[in-house]
Amino acid sequence: QVHLQQSGPGLVRPSGTLSLTCVVSDGSITTNNWWTWLRQSPGKGLESIAEIYHDGVTNYDPSLRSRLTISLDKSKNQFSLRLTSVTAADTAVYYCARDFCSDMNCPEGLDSWGQGTLVTVSS
Amino acid sequence: EIVLTQSPATLSLSPGERATLSCRASHSINTYVAWYQQKPGQAPRLLIYDASSRATGIPPRFTGSGSGTDFSLTISSLEPEDVAVYYCQQRTTWPYNFGQGTKLEI
Repeated sequence: QVHLQQSGPGLVRPSGTLSLTCVVSDGSITTNNWWTWLRQSPGKGLESIAEIYHDGVTNYDPSLRSRLTISLDKSKNQFSLRLTSVTAADTAVYYCARDFCSDMNCPEGLDSWGQGTLVTVSS
Repeated sequence: EIVLTQSPATLSLSPGERATLSCRASHSINTYVAWYQQKPGQAPRLLIYDASSRATGIPPRFTGSGSGTDFSLTISSLEPEDVAVYYCQQRTTWPYNFGQGTKLEI
């Protein structure tokens, strides 16, 4: 397991851009794992919204794809999320997590999590 | 889309009792299921992956089973610290969606 520390604003204006960063420690972001962003809200529960492999391959939730960007910064051992044109429906607790790969399967499950960031979209 | 249905929504038991939580998938997902525990104000914690493999540091009283469409998480002897919401997650098709959760009360 690794330690994940999230940072980013807790308040974003409607139509603005949500930007979050997750710094990885006690491990390298270049290892054979996926790096994931999720969000959790009372209305929609837990949602996996974006993931990126250590080589840069990405997957996005189809309903958010046009507004989402996930990226890696290997020099800083961190990964980031950018969500544009936000509305109140994007209000949620956002989590970063590591989706680890075992010798048998890749990925297996979310074994390391950030502390969560409550992001509120409001004017 | 694979829909996961968890039951019951709420489970109330006493310390020392056995808890069985269910997760049913709308399509077969082989054994590609993970289980998580989320305590109030905390991030979820991985308990089980690949339907029955215990994650690092998880005590043996947590066991997962099942394949295809029906899965279970069993807690053999409940402790007060097990109060939480438990989620299953399918791991076969991105996005890896979650069930709606089972709230465990002790």
